[in-house]
Amino acid sequence: NAGVTQTPKFRVLKTGQSMTLLCAQDMNHEYMYWYRQDPGMGLRLIHYSVGEGTTAKGEVPDGYNVSRLKKQNFLLGLESAAPSQTSVYFCASSYSTSGSPHYEQYFGPGTRLTVT
Amino acid sequence: AQSVSQHNHHVILSEAASLELGCNYSYGGTVNLFWYVQYPGQHLQLLLKYFSGDPLVKGIKGFEAEFIKSKFSFNLRKPSVQWSDTAEYFCAFEGDNAGNMLTFGGGTRLMVKP
Repeated sequence: NAGVTQTPKFRVLKTGQSMTLLCAQDMNHEYMYWYRQDPGMGLRLIHYSVGEGTTAKGEVPDGYNVSRLKKQNFLLGLESAAPSQTSVYFCASSYSTSGSPHYEQYFGPGTRLTVT
Repeated sequence: AQSVSQHNHHVILSEAASLELGCNYSYGGTVNLFWYVQYPGQHLQLLLKYFSGDPLVKGIKGFEAEFIKSKFSFNLRKPSVQWSDTAEYFCAFEGDNAGNMLTFGGGTRLMVKP
């Protein structure tokens, strides 16, 4: 099992450019998440998905969009990048809690994004 | 609002010293609690977790944490640290109304000097 993988690992964008980050998991997890990690602020949830075709906003959703067209993939889009979006982005996945309360989130290796 | 406070942002220890990292959460209901570790250049890995039962939980690599409900705390401990424990440590919790969503603390950077 590869676990959770993210593409790309690094990216530099200019202000106003767009891009999509791809997250893939091979553990058949229902739930998937996108976080951003900034120094001193820990991880903050951007968007999450509780299943194929469904998405929801997290703590810091502005400026981002997501899609979950396939169960194993969760895409994070930046339509018009801003310097404030310079961060490290982590994807995670977990089992559904339905009928199984004990779980953990499994994280990908991260994508370091710089917006100039 | 739900929040997690990690009081120590940076900790420097010598090898064999004892470690305790503080974590306090703000939430009135039932919680699931986690400690994650991020080694330099790597992704987050689960160190240990508490869902119910014995409030003293043991994790990987000799780490343990104690849930004290009355203090809303879940401090991480290790009796004797090693250089390889140099990493950033994140406390997180999920409230019983959060539906799989974790709230993370700001992290504690631990440096262990050989």
